[in-house]
Amino acid sequence: EAGVTQFPSHSVIEKGQTVTLRCDPISGHDNLYWYRRVMGKEIKFLLHFVKESKQDESGMPNNRFLAERTGGTYSTLKVQPAELEDSGVYFCASSPNFGRAETQYFGPGTRLLVL
Amino acid sequence: AQSVAQPEDQVNVAEGNPLTVKCTYSVSGNPYLFWYVQYPNRGLQFLLKYITGDNLVKGSYGFEAEFNKSQTSFHLKKPSALVSDSALYFCAVRDGATGRRALTFGSGTRLQVQP
Repeated sequence: EAGVTQFPSHSVIEKGQTVTLRCDPISGHDNLYWYRRVMGKEIKFLLHFVKESKQDESGMPNNRFLAERTGGTYSTLKVQPAELEDSGVYFCASSPNFGRAETQYFGPGTRLLVL
Repeated sequence: AQSVAQPEDQVNVAEGNPLTVKCTYSVSGNPYLFWYVQYPNRGLQFLLKYITGDNLVKGSYGFEAEFNKSQTSFHLKKPSALVSDSALYFCAVRDGATGRRALTFGSGTRLQVQP
Protein backbone atom coordinates (compact mmCIF):
# COMPACT_ATOMS: atom_id res chain seq x y z
CA GLU A 1 0.00 0.00 0.00
CA ALA A 2 1.41 3.38 -1.03
CA GLY A 3 1.87 5.92 1.73
CA VAL A 4 1.07 9.61 1.78
CA THR A 5 2.97 11.43 -0.93
CA GLN A 6 3.78 15.11 -1.18
CA PHE A 7 5.06 17.25 -4.01
CA PRO A 8 7.41 19.00 -4.34
CA SER A 9 9.90 17.74 -1.79
CA HIS A 10 11.63 21.13 -1.74
CA SER A 11 10.65 24.60 -2.93
CA VAL A 12 12.67 27.80 -2.87
CA ILE A 13 10.79 30.97 -3.77
CA GLU A 14 11.14 34.68 -3.27
CA LYS A 15 9.01 36.73 -0.95
CA GLY A 16 5.79 37.76 -2.67
CA GLN A 17 5.64 34.76 -4.98
CA THR A 18 3.04 32.01 -4.92
CA VAL A 19 3.67 28.38 -4.09
CA THR A 20 1.31 25.42 -4.30
CA LEU A 21 1.96 22.26 -2.35
CA ARG A 22 0.25 19.00 -3.18
CA CYS A 23 -0.65 16.02 -1.03
CA ASP A 24 -1.93 12.63 -2.13
CA PRO A 25 -3.35 10.70 0.83
CA ILE A 26 -3.41 6.97 1.29
CA SER A 27 -6.10 5.53 -0.97
CA GLY A 28 -9.44 5.31 0.78
CA HIS A 29 -8.58 7.70 3.59
CA ASP A 30 -11.36 10.22 4.05
CA ASN A 31 -9.44 12.37 6.51
CA LEU A 32 -6.64 14.61 5.31
CA TYR A 33 -4.63 16.98 7.49
CA TRP A 34 -2.07 19.71 6.93
CA TYR A 35 0.58 20.58 9.53
CA ARG A 36 3.74 22.65 9.44
CA ARG A 37 6.95 22.95 11.40
CA VAL A 38 8.39 26.43 11.30
CA MET A 39 11.95 27.34 12.39
CA GLY A 40 12.50 23.95 14.02
CA LYS A 41 9.72 24.53 16.52
CA GLU A 42 6.66 22.43 17.27
CA ILE A 43 4.69 20.83 14.50
CA LYS A 44 1.49 22.89 14.28
CA PHE A 45 -1.89 21.83 12.96
CA LEU A 46 -3.26 23.84 10.04
CA LEU A 47 -6.49 22.19 8.93
CA HIS A 48 -8.49 18.99 8.55
CA PHE A 49 -10.57 17.80 5.61
CA VAL A 50 -13.18 15.08 5.70
CA LYS A 51 -13.51 14.10 2.07
CA GLU A 52 -13.86 17.45 0.30
CA SER A 53 -15.20 19.40 3.27
CA LYS A 54 -13.13 21.51 5.64
CA GLN A 55 -13.87 20.06 9.07
CA ASP A 56 -11.48 22.23 11.08
CA GLU A 57 -9.43 25.12 9.76
CA SER A 58 -8.65 26.70 13.10
CA GLY A 59 -4.90 26.42 12.58
CA MET A 60 -4.68 28.36 9.32
CA PRO A 61 -2.47 31.36 10.14
CA ASN A 62 -4.04 33.93 7.82
CA ASN A 63 -5.84 34.42 4.52
CA ARG A 64 -2.66 34.04 2.50
CA PHE A 65 -3.12 30.29 2.92
CA LEU A 66 -5.75 28.47 0.87
CA ALA A 67 -6.35 24.74 1.03
CA GLU A 68 -8.54 22.74 -1.29
CA ARG A 69 -9.49 19.13 -1.72
CA THR A 70 -11.64 18.95 -4.79
CA GLY A 71 -13.29 15.58 -5.29
CA GLY A 72 -12.12 14.39 -1.89
CA THR A 73 -8.88 12.90 -3.18
CA TYR A 74 -5.66 14.90 -3.32
CA SER A 75 -5.29 18.27 -1.64
CA THR A 76 -3.41 21.45 -2.43
CA LEU A 77 -2.16 24.14 -0.11
CA LYS A 78 -1.46 27.48 -1.76
CA VAL A 79 0.49 30.28 -0.14
CA GLN A 80 -0.06 33.62 -1.86
CA PRO A 81 1.87 35.84 -1.43
CA ALA A 82 4.59 34.01 0.47
CA GLU A 83 6.34 35.76 3.36
CA LEU A 84 9.69 34.98 4.99
CA GLU A 85 8.00 33.53 8.08
CA ASP A 86 6.26 30.90 5.95
CA SER A 87 9.54 29.01 5.60
CA GLY A 88 9.42 25.58 7.16
CA VAL A 89 8.35 22.02 6.54
CA TYR A 90 4.75 21.38 5.53
CA PHE A 91 3.45 17.93 6.38
CA CYS A 92 0.35 16.23 5.12
CA ALA A 93 -1.27 13.31 6.91
CA SER A 94 -4.26 11.08 6.26
CA SER A 95 -6.35 8.66 8.25
CA PRO A 96 -9.27 6.35 7.64
CA ASN A 97 -12.70 7.07 9.03
CA PHE A 98 -12.92 4.25 11.58
CA GLY A 99 -13.68 6.48 14.51
CA ARG A 100 -11.93 9.04 16.62
CA ALA A 101 -9.00 6.83 17.65
CA GLU A 102 -7.55 6.25 14.20
CA THR A 103 -3.87 6.90 13.48
CA GLN A 104 -2.73 9.73 11.25
CA TYR A 105 -0.09 8.68 8.72
CA PHE A 106 2.28 11.37 7.57
CA GLY A 107 3.96 12.13 4.29
CA PRO A 108 7.63 13.08 3.88
CA GLY A 109 6.89 16.80 3.95
CA THR A 110 7.63 19.72 1.64
CA ARG A 111 10.52 21.95 2.69
CA LEU A 112 9.65 25.52 1.79
CA LEU A 113 12.23 28.28 1.85
CA VAL A 114 11.10 31.84 1.23
CA LEU A 115 13.94 34.25 0.45
CA ALA B 1 -6.49 23.73 25.40
CA GLN B 2 -4.07 20.86 25.08
CA SER B 3 -0.29 20.84 25.24
CA VAL B 4 2.70 18.53 25.18
CA ALA B 5 6.09 19.02 26.79
CA GLN B 6 9.23 17.18 25.83
CA PRO B 7 11.69 18.52 28.39
CA GLU B 8 14.86 17.23 26.73
CA ASP B 9 16.07 18.65 23.44
CA GLN B 10 18.55 15.78 23.14
CA VAL B 11 19.09 12.42 24.76
CA ASN B 12 22.40 10.59 24.45
CA VAL B 13 22.69 6.89 25.15
CA ALA B 14 25.21 4.17 24.44
CA GLU B 15 24.25 1.32 22.16
CA GLY B 16 22.85 -1.59 24.12
CA ASN B 17 21.72 0.58 27.04
CA PRO B 18 18.06 1.27 27.81
CA LEU B 19 16.65 4.56 26.59
CA THR B 20 13.86 6.83 27.76
CA VAL B 21 12.43 9.84 25.94
CA LYS B 22 10.17 11.88 28.20
CA CYS B 23 6.77 13.35 27.41
CA THR B 24 4.17 15.02 29.60
CA TYR B 25 0.81 16.27 28.41
CA SER B 26 -2.12 18.42 29.37
CA VAL B 27 -5.63 17.82 28.05
CA SER B 28 -9.02 18.55 29.53
CA GLY B 29 -10.73 15.34 28.45
CA ASN B 30 -9.46 11.85 27.57
CA PRO B 31 -5.89 11.81 26.31
CA TYR B 32 -5.13 10.01 23.08
CA LEU B 33 -1.34 9.86 22.98
CA PHE B 34 1.01 9.16 20.10
CA TRP B 35 4.72 8.81 19.41
CA TYR B 36 6.19 9.51 16.00
CA VAL B 37 9.80 9.28 14.79
CA GLN B 38 11.49 11.29 12.05
CA TYR B 39 14.64 9.90 10.49
CA PRO B 40 16.92 12.29 8.55
CA ASN B 41 15.30 13.53 5.33
CA ARG B 42 12.23 11.41 5.97
CA GLY B 43 8.67 12.08 7.11
CA LEU B 44 7.07 11.28 10.42
CA GLN B 45 6.64 7.58 11.07
CA PHE B 46 4.06 6.31 13.53
CA LEU B 47 5.53 4.30 16.42
CA LEU B 48 2.70 3.64 18.86
CA LYS B 49 -0.38 5.09 20.51
CA TYR B 50 -2.38 4.92 23.71
CA ILE B 51 -6.14 5.21 23.48
CA THR B 52 -7.45 3.14 26.37
CA GLY B 53 -6.74 -0.08 28.20
CA ASP B 54 -3.34 -1.39 29.29
CA ASN B 55 -1.04 1.41 30.39
CA LEU B 56 1.97 -0.23 28.71
CA VAL B 57 1.78 0.09 24.95
CA LYS B 58 4.08 -1.77 22.59
CA GLY B 59 4.94 -0.41 19.17
CA SER B 60 7.25 -0.70 16.22
CA TYR B 61 11.00 -1.41 16.32
CA GLY B 62 10.89 -2.66 19.91
CA PHE B 63 9.68 0.61 21.39
CA GLU B 64 7.11 0.83 24.16
CA ALA B 65 5.53 3.62 26.16
CA GLU B 66 3.89 3.78 29.54
CA PHE B 67 0.81 5.90 30.15
CA ASN B 68 0.75 7.36 33.65
CA LYS B 69 -2.45 9.25 34.33
CA SER B 70 -1.47 10.62 37.74
CA GLN B 71 1.77 12.06 36.39
CA THR B 72 0.22 12.96 33.00
CA SER B 73 3.18 11.32 31.31
CA PHE B 74 3.71 9.06 28.31
CA HIS B 75 7.43 8.28 28.24
CA LEU B 76 8.90 6.33 25.34
CA LYS B 77 11.23 3.48 26.23
CA LYS B 78 13.36 0.77 24.68
CA PRO B 79 15.29 -1.88 26.63
CA SER B 80 18.34 -1.88 24.37
CA ALA B 81 19.17 1.04 22.06
CA LEU B 82 20.53 0.63 18.55
CA VAL B 83 22.62 3.13 16.61
CA SER B 84 19.86 3.05 13.98
CA ASP B 85 17.41 4.43 16.58
CA SER B 86 19.15 7.80 16.30
CA ALA B 87 16.44 10.16 15.09
CA LEU B 88 14.02 12.91 16.13
CA TYR B 89 11.12 11.77 18.29
CA PHE B 90 7.81 13.60 18.67
CA CYS B 91 5.10 13.05 21.25
CA ALA B 92 1.56 14.17 20.36
CA VAL B 93 -1.82 14.34 22.06
CA ARG B 94 -5.42 14.92 21.17
CA ASP B 95 -8.54 15.07 23.31
CA GLY B 96 -10.55 11.92 22.80
CA ALA B 97 -13.59 13.47 24.47
CA THR B 98 -14.14 15.86 21.58
CA GLY B 99 -14.60 15.31 17.88
CA ARG B 100 -11.60 17.48 17.07
CA ARG B 101 -8.81 15.41 15.53
CA ALA B 102 -5.99 17.90 15.40
CA LEU B 103 -2.82 16.59 17.03
CA THR B 104 -0.81 18.81 19.34
CA PHE B 105 2.89 18.01 19.18
CA GLY B 106 5.81 18.51 21.50
CA SER B 107 8.94 20.26 20.30
CA GLY B 108 10.75 16.99 19.63
CA THR B 109 13.67 15.18 21.26
CA ARG B 110 16.75 14.21 19.31
CA LEU B 111 17.99 10.77 20.29
CA GLN B 112 21.66 10.08 19.68
CA VAL B 113 22.83 6.51 20.19
CA GLN B 114 26.58 6.13 20.34
CA PRO B 115 28.24 2.91 19.18
